[in-house]
Amino acid sequence: QVQLMQSGAEVKMPGASVRVSCKASGYTFTSFHMHWVRQAPGQGLEWMGVINPSGGSTTYAENLQGRVIMTRDTSTSTVYMELSSLRSEDTAVFYCARGMTGTIYFDYWGQGTLVTVSS
Amino acid sequence: DIVLTQSPDSLAVSLGERATVNCKSSQSVLYSPINKNYLAWYQQKPGQAPKLLIYWASTRESGVPDRFSGRGSGTDFTLTISNLQAEDVAVYYCHQYYSPPLTFGGGTKVEIK
Repeated sequence: QVQLMQSGAEVKMPGASVRVSCKASGYTFTSFHMHWVRQAPGQGLEWMGVINPSGGSTTYAENLQGRVIMTRDTSTSTVYMELSSLRSEDTAVFYCARGMTGTIYFDYWGQGTLVTVSS
Repeated sequence: DIVLTQSPDSLAVSLGERATVNCKSSQSVLYSPINKNYLAWYQQKPGQAPKLLIYWASTRESGVPDRFSGRGSGTDFTLTISNLQAEDVAVYYCHQYYSPPLTFGGGTKVEIK
């Protein structure tokens, strides 16, 4: 069965970077895009961007350009999301979510990773 | 960017009754050449990841109970939960995938009256 297993919770200082991983299993890794969505405490969902594991191409939300990098490792079927220059407003649960293409609905989601930015 | 506005923000419905959630898009998400609306609905229970309920505005995801239904086209969409059950208490989000950046509605919290 399809599973997206994310790395554990992180606590970071303002200005630091965080890298969250998402390990996929149960399907052909390179056949589906992987999106990242974040959710601040008590708030709604915000799309961050997408990576195509087949070639590594990415599209990022404009408001995160320059601070977010999405990469993948096809040997381990894992995608990574790195967010730099963290500020308190970045405190959120980060989800990876599978989609057939770069503009599509998300049929499977990871369990979420809480990133807390605090001094 | 396409803005999705959901209404109401919250609603309380008696068990067995109907709950209706609305989603209005700032521009059409209908791709006319294939007559498909690029809109999905998700359910999120406390402490859990969102779960796909409906895609292409009205296609129910496999395994989703048939009391969940979606309708609408262009800019106006509705999610209906018929015969509300206790396990349907959650926040519901609409989502457009017509064009990047992909966006979500603000969410509607459904509770039991």
